[in-house]
Amino acid sequence: DIQMTQSPSSLSASVGDRVTITCQASQDISNYLNWYQQKPGKAPKLLIYDASNLETGVPSRFSGSGSGTDFTFTISSLQPEDIATYYCQQYDNLQYTFGQGTKLEIK
Amino acid sequence: EVQLVESGGGLVQPGRSLRLSCAASGFTFDDYAMHWVRQAPGKGLEWVSGISWNSGSIGYADSVKGRFTISRDNAKNSLYLQMNSLRAEDTALYYCAKDMGQWLGGSSFDYWGQGTLVTVSS
Repeated sequence: DIQMTQSPSSLSASVGDRVTITCQASQDISNYLNWYQQKPGKAPKLLIYDASNLETGVPSRFSGSGSGTDFTFTISSLQPEDIATYYCQQYDNLQYTFGQGTKLEIK
Repeated sequence: EVQLVESGGGLVQPGRSLRLSCAASGFTFDDYAMHWVRQAPGKGLEWVSGISWNSGSIGYADSVKGRFTISRDNAKNSLYLQMNSLRAEDTALYYCAKDMGQWLGGSSFDYWGQGTLVTVSS
């Protein structure tokens, strides 16, 4: 099974900062990588699909890149409402795996 | 508006069974694959099972294979998860999620329900 290594596990940043989260797959997954945001007490929300495509309605400060085994999720200018836990997720051969999550806090 | 409403959770003893349901509305249910994803208290997300639009393709996480069965009734716009031989480690909030595509293995989860809590304890 493909393993996903997401880092960091937690992150503290200031409003306006550029924030980057990485996700590494244990083998080549092409661009089959999604990013989700989960706010406390809420269901996850899809932000980025197929590594770099912005889901409809998601602010453009969110972006994703990468292919193969290494992927990056970026918030270009952190806003207070971005406080949440972020997860990467891969899909391969009828198996879906989430990263461990990155808890983002405001400094 | 897409809505996914889970039900059927509750407190159950180890070794017993439980059946979860997910009622879907606001989209053409039989055009999309569907999934169950769970989250143990204070933990991350874990994919449990998925089913293609026509039930022709089904997948399970290794942790539930042989114990859980996913199914769907397109006439009733409903998704189900039959959970047998429940263990303490199955305790979690179970989410129903809609796939962006028809088949498993090539898409993402674009809508989620609010979840139903399953607690396995004696």
